[in-house]
Amino acid sequence: GAGVSQSPSNKVTEKGKDVELRCDPISGHTALYWYRQSLGQGLEFLIYFQGNSAPDKSGLPSDRFSAERTGGSVSTLTIQRTQQEDSAVYLCASRRTAYNEQFFGPGTRLTVL
Amino acid sequence: SQQGEEDPQALSIQEGENATMNCSYKTSINNLQWYRQNSGRGLVHLILIRSNEREKHSGRLRVTLDTSKKSSSLLITASRAADTASYFCATDAGANSKLTFGKGITLSVRP
Repeated sequence: GAGVSQSPSNKVTEKGKDVELRCDPISGHTALYWYRQSLGQGLEFLIYFQGNSAPDKSGLPSDRFSAERTGGSVSTLTIQRTQQEDSAVYLCASRRTAYNEQFFGPGTRLTVL
Repeated sequence: SQQGEEDPQALSIQEGENATMNCSYKTSINNLQWYRQNSGRGLVHLILIRSNEREKHSGRLRVTLDTSKKSSSLLITASRAADTASYFCATDAGANSKLTFGKGITLSVRP
């Protein structure tokens, strides 16, 4: 596609429920990132995928967060047993080559009630 | 953790004026990037400057980088109302090129 797409654009869930957020990167981009933007913490790195290498999970805030990337393309970020502090905009980005710009999707706004 | 710190936190100018935003960071970097965000959603990439570059231009944008001071500035010339947005600097400092963002600057351009 022309850009990075994310779905859903908005998600409202109840505390304790699991959610899945999806990211479709730009075709041909080997690197994929998830970031989170919240009022209190600003923009934070969560996880990074590069080809078939083991992902860099160093930014995941707890073991309730996990992500996978299937076939080197689509990625899913899963949050289990959601908490109110998980409320944020979750942004996905992809890039073609190292040390170059990242292209961001429109984000998923997650609200945990 | 925040690496970049932008200033000012908020800037209000008249259409046609120039807007200057500054960013400071803490560690050595591969490159520094500026992004724009409208309405708290997707980030739009504006410009990237590499650690061995000192100045770069793109349309009405001019970015400078001073690695000795660990600082960068973004200049938007002849601002327009459509430039109203939040602006973030982000540093690429590691092997994975994960970005570390500043807290952002809110720019308001009055028509």
